[in-house]
Amino acid sequence: DTAVSQTPKYLVTQMGNDKSIKCEQNLGHDTMYWYKQDSKKFLKIMFSYNNKELIINETVPNRFSPKSPDKAHLNLHINSLELGDSAVYFCASSHAGNYGYTFGSGTRLTVV
Amino acid sequence: GQQVMQIPQYQHVQEGEDFTTYCNSSTTLSNIQWYKQRPGGHPVFLIQLVKSGEVKKQKRLTFQFGEAKKNSSLHITATQTTDVGTYFCAGQGGRGGSNYKLTFGKGTLLTVNP
Repeated sequence: DTAVSQTPKYLVTQMGNDKSIKCEQNLGHDTMYWYKQDSKKFLKIMFSYNNKELIINETVPNRFSPKSPDKAHLNLHINSLELGDSAVYFCASSHAGNYGYTFGSGTRLTVV
Repeated sequence: GQQVMQIPQYQHVQEGEDFTTYCNSSTTLSNIQWYKQRPGGHPVFLIQLVKSGEVKKQKRLTFQFGEAKKNSSLHITATQTTDVGTYFCAGQGGRGGSNYKLTFGKGTLLTVNP
């Protein structure tokens, strides 16, 4: 009965590869997010979708492309992976507006 | 853009001591949220404060929102080893698209010596 589930949990890949991370929520939330947490634990918003519409697109390299096929799913595709992309990527969801976020358990991406 | 500063970065206490982390925003917030992330885990929502001067309690945790809605604090009384983790404040801005954007502070890592 996981509320926000991400796959895979771990991802080790070589530089230059393309990879995807998937996220699904069963909470009935209408807004989903991708956050990146670096080695210093800083959580930085990357993207946000509300009812499948992109509403937040922070300064992220265009190698990162989010996709929301419906409001319960938000995937992240990364092209031409670089060493600096190594981090933990968290998916989260919430109701729109002033509500707390529910985070997934994270995907630890390691680029070698 | 909106910035949220949080201090201290680290805090080590003896079990039973109190702990406080402080959060300051560069802009007025519509609300502030607090999260806890255990080592190796994911952020877990603790509470949201919306009203100016609001104070909320959860057992040994006390959360405050400043009168100007730009600062907040989390105080833990008589820490326990189960309190170990990183505590994040996160602020949401005003109206429109930014209302969806939650800006996190850098967190305070709390370690407790038993």
